[in-house]
Amino acid sequence: NAGVTQTPKFQVLKTGQSMTLQCAQDMNHNSMYWYRQDPGMGLRLIYYSASEGTTDKGEVPNGYNVSRLNKREFSLRLESAAPSQTSVYFCASSREPRAPGELFFGEGSRLTVL
Amino acid sequence: AQSVTQPDIHITVSEGASLELRCNYSYGATPYLFWYVQSPGQGLQLLLKYFSGDTLVQGIKGFEAEFKRSQSSFNLRKPSVHWSDAAEYFCAVVLNDMRFGAGTRLTVKP
Repeated sequence: NAGVTQTPKFQVLKTGQSMTLQCAQDMNHNSMYWYRQDPGMGLRLIYYSASEGTTDKGEVPNGYNVSRLNKREFSLRLESAAPSQTSVYFCASSREPRAPGELFFGEGSRLTVL
Repeated sequence: AQSVTQPDIHITVSEGASLELRCNYSYGATPYLFWYVQSPGQGLQLLLKYFSGDTLVQGIKGFEAEFKRSQSSFNLRKPSVHWSDAAEYFCAVVLNDMRFGAGTRLTVKP
């Protein structure tokens, strides 16, 4: 069982460069999420998608865009990376919208912006 | 303001000792409550959850948590810690969306 798969696992960018983090789930879940994890701050929600075709801002959406390509895939794009976006990014999915139940997480993508 | 707090950033216990990790929330209503564990280099895995009913909840890997409404707490416990329990533990709450505490890192001494 693959579960939630994120690519790439590691990425180094220069300030101003753009990149897209890819996420795919094979559990037929309706809802998908992007979180960032920073030391001492836990996980903070960037964007979520309650269902295919919908996306909504979370707690820290500035500097990011998302695309729910289909039911399986939810990508996160940084148009012009900044050092403040250095973080570990986690994609997650859940059966129910807005995660009243269990979230299933990918293994994370570590991004460094120089 | 709505928040979830894990007061302990880092805890060290000896293998075989008991463990309690604290979690407090500040919400107007009782949210859904969760504990997740994150092993190094991995994503988060659900340990247990509380929605309603019995306030003592059993989870995987021998963990349990007790919901105390009067204290707005949902503390995680384990009677005897194993070296493989070394990880970071996150409390999470859901009222309108899922919010995570800052995490508690557990070190287990041999």
